[in-house]
Amino acid sequence: QQQVKQSPQSLIVQKGGISIINCAYENTAFDYFPWYQQFPGKGPALLIAIRPDVSEKKEGRFTISFNKSAKQFSLHIMDSQPGDSATYFCAASTPNFGNEKLTFGTGTRLTIIP
Amino acid sequence: DAGITQSPRHKVTETGTPVTLRCHQTENHRYMYWYRQDPGHGLRLIHYSYGVKDTDKGEVSDGYSVSRSKTEDFLLTLESATSSQTSVYFCAISEVVAGAYEQYFGPGTRLTVT
Repeated sequence: QQQVKQSPQSLIVQKGGISIINCAYENTAFDYFPWYQQFPGKGPALLIAIRPDVSEKKEGRFTISFNKSAKQFSLHIMDSQPGDSATYFCAASTPNFGNEKLTFGTGTRLTIIP
Repeated sequence: DAGITQSPRHKVTETGTPVTLRCHQTENHRYMYWYRQDPGHGLRLIHYSYGVKDTDKGEVSDGYSVSRSKTEDFLLTLESATSSQTSVYFCAISEVVAGAYEQYFGPGTRLTVT
């Protein structure tokens, strides 16, 4: 049973464009939604995260949009650059006093073309 | 990288042999995790630890055991490796950042079972 569904599986975007990756979840107890960026041969790196008390969080060119009623959240990468080419994972967890266990989406391979 | 190292980084082993992967952290984190990453599945939690000698199962724990005799080391053991355990294994720690717990991952171990 996949609790966090991620789409698309792969995405090609032109340099300077907006990359959008979507995730949907079922468990209404989830209260923490991070996005990870992973380059080949490396571990996932925390990119940006949001909690359901806000609908949007922006850090530089990266924005998370969160829709609690629809149980969806998305990552927007503005002015996409070739260096953004990587695999992106969304995740979610329930509160557990520091011992949060992440449930991951299946990943999106993003390619930025010149 | 939150002071996380994993060893070995690559390993090839034969079916039926025991294998132990090591995760080492230098920053006294209480919570540690082992995940496996497979195409089409994202990252899935194998086992986690909430202190020395305190461990519990995750989503895909069958065929794996763990031990944590010191705060800094979290070991993952495959008692009798199978081809289905060919994967990339990531260790993670949970760290408080700005009042919230966030997970950070090590560089990974690529395991091939032939």
